Amino acid sequence: NAGVTQTPKFQVLKTGQSMTLQCAQDMNHEYMSWYRQDPGMGLRLIHYSVGAGITDQGEVPNGYNVSRSTTEDFPLRLLSAAPSQTSVYFCASSYSAGGKYIQYFGAGTRLSVL
Amino acid sequence: DQQVKQNSPSLSVQEGRISILNCDYTNSMFDYFLWYKKYPAEGPTFLISISSIKDKNEDGRFTVFLNKSAKHLSLHIVPSQPGDSAVYFCAAIIQGAQKLVFGQGTRLTINP
Repeated sequence: NAGVTQTPKFQVLKTGQSMTLQCAQDMNHEYMSWYRQDPGMGLRLIHYSVGAGITDQGEVPNGYNVSRSTTEDFPLRLLSAAPSQTSVYFCASSYSAGGKYIQYFGAGTRLSVL
Repeated sequence: DQQVKQNSPSLSVQEGRISILNCDYTNSMFDYFLWYKKYPAEGPTFLISISSIKDKNEDGRFTVFLNKSAKHLSLHIVPSQPGDSAVYFCAAIIQGAQKLVFGQGTRLTINP
């Protein structure tokens, strides 16, 4: 019963390095999202996807790229890491049915950019 | 432009008493509201939700109240237990838009 799986759990990068945060879900949900959590800011939406091949920007998309080639996977790419991207990142998958909206989160990736 | 606001960063309640967490929103288009609970080093977990067509939803010890005219919702936990100590986030969505907007969170501490 995996749900939403994020890897890695922790990562330290140097300014300018690139990396990909992985996210996979096994619930066959159409919708997937990436959030970042910063102290006093709650969770802010970075990018989201409503299905394979379809992505859109959220509230704080700058510095991040996403793609959705399959229903299961939704990786988040940092092309040139900056200290301002130090944060905890959460991936989520969700569905709407019967007037309800249900969203499941992964355990998070804690990223430090030096 | 914070569309969903939780103005209390922290709340301390005695075990057995009622915990009341508050949330305000500014966008009248929001039509579905959720509460999430988050423990350290874990992802948020869904707690309870309410549609804008209702003013109350109850699930065991948890009740969410929605006051649309005041653009305010609250989460009541009764009785509060030590395991309820966590950060609570309220969130709002326009159904069909798939963009959940979160508040800043309130850290609830239940004291024995």
